[in-house]
Amino acid sequence: DAKTTQPTSMDCAEGRAANLPCNHSTISGNEYVYWYRQIHSQGPQYIIHGLKNNETNEMASLIITEDRKSSTLILPHATLRDTAVYYCIVRVGGMFQGAQKLVFGQGTRLTINP
Amino acid sequence: DVKVTQSSRYLVKRTGEKVFLECVQDMDHENMFWYRQDPGLGLRLIYFSYDVKMKEKGDIPEGYSVSREKKERFSLILESASTNQTSMYLCASSGLANEQFFGPGTRLTVL
Repeated sequence: DAKTTQPTSMDCAEGRAANLPCNHSTISGNEYVYWYRQIHSQGPQYIIHGLKNNETNEMASLIITEDRKSSTLILPHATLRDTAVYYCIVRVGGMFQGAQKLVFGQGTRLTINP
Repeated sequence: DVKVTQSSRYLVKRTGEKVFLECVQDMDHENMFWYRQDPGLGLRLIYFSYDVKMKEKGDIPEGYSVSREKKERFSLILESASTNQTSMYLCASSGLANEQFFGPGTRLTVL
């Protein structure tokens, strides 16, 4: 799996958009970008993933640069409950890849302030 | 919504006891996983299963066994609990896009 680099921590005001960057300059063509988060004392939560096109779901948007060397997770209207550690992972994904373990890096500790 | 449930949120056991942790998913996923998470050590894979009755060792299988008799259920067994197995245990299942959905976790304390 390609290595990712994320800021250690970030702050965002409640109600504003939280933009979390991730660098993955060694990503290869068949690797997807996945985002998870973990709220204190809870299990990790899958957020979104993408290959090269921008993706949006009910939780967030994922913007991947054209060269795929970096991406940004956007939480459009952050709430206090979005305070968590956010993990960006790059790995071979897509259909029928079989069971693969998940390895988290250090992630970004996002704090949403009232 | 995908739902992964685990039998207990908190569990306290004594050294030497046999411990069963149950995990159930409702999305008909083929792949299921058991991890443990400890401060400073991150997520570590204990066992996984890619089909009923199939299991594979992860990175730290010693002291654990698993059972997958039905597709929706994956059980983790600590044959003889020890204090170094005090940890947060996380079950996950993965869909076709390889995204993993986690349960709420079981915080196990072995005294």
